[in-house]
Amino acid sequence: DSGVTQTPKHLITATGQRVTLRCSPRSGDLSVYWYQQSLDQGLQFLIQYYNGEERAKGNILERFSAQQFPDLHSELNLSSLELGDSALYFCASSSQSNTGELFFGEGSRLTVL
Amino acid sequence: AQSVTQPDIHITVSEGASLELRCNYSYGATPYLFWYVQSPGQGLQLLLKYFSGDTLVQGIKGFEAEFKRSQSSFNLRKPSVHWSDAAEYFCAVGAPNSGNTPLVFGKGTRLSVIA
Repeated sequence: DSGVTQTPKHLITATGQRVTLRCSPRSGDLSVYWYQQSLDQGLQFLIQYYNGEERAKGNILERFSAQQFPDLHSELNLSSLELGDSALYFCASSSQSNTGELFFGEGSRLTVL
Repeated sequence: AQSVTQPDIHITVSEGASLELRCNYSYGATPYLFWYVQSPGQGLQLLLKYFSGDTLVQGIKGFEAEFKRSQSSFNLRKPSVHWSDAAEYFCAVGAPNSGNTPLVFGKGTRLSVIA
């Protein structure tokens, strides 16, 4: 158990809909990262937050947004969903040790029909 | 910007045989290097990491990896594979002293183990 909690584990929805994925980092970790894992693209970095502020942005679509709340949990919002958005979405957190080591949740599997 | 190449998409080995998974990275200096494992339906678990010092690092589950600066490689090895090692393996690179910038992952190598 990494200590990172993601909900929901599975989500099935239709094209055009909007979903929210939630992540609670390990106790004491200030950084939260979102990654998308698909068969053809591998693990793609989407966005990072540090103590409530956006720190880095990767290949995140404009239809996607995220935020980190004062209690440090984070939410990834996916809107106007397309079939191609079906993927595993991972949240990870890191400590303040500056080593870059990430601790991953078990992921949220999104299926868009 | 850093990048990672895992040349082998899929490898099949017999149980008890030795294993080597290849990883090559691109980075201007000595990076932080990681190997993660993902079992089916699970998240990514850290196997081992290299920050500095001894270039041969030991990890969990009997795995080890060797950092070779001259070859820009960080190959993962295990002397005797168990059926439970069947999983997806990811190599990742990070930039030292960069305020925990996101890791860059390779596309992964899927390991199958046969009896």
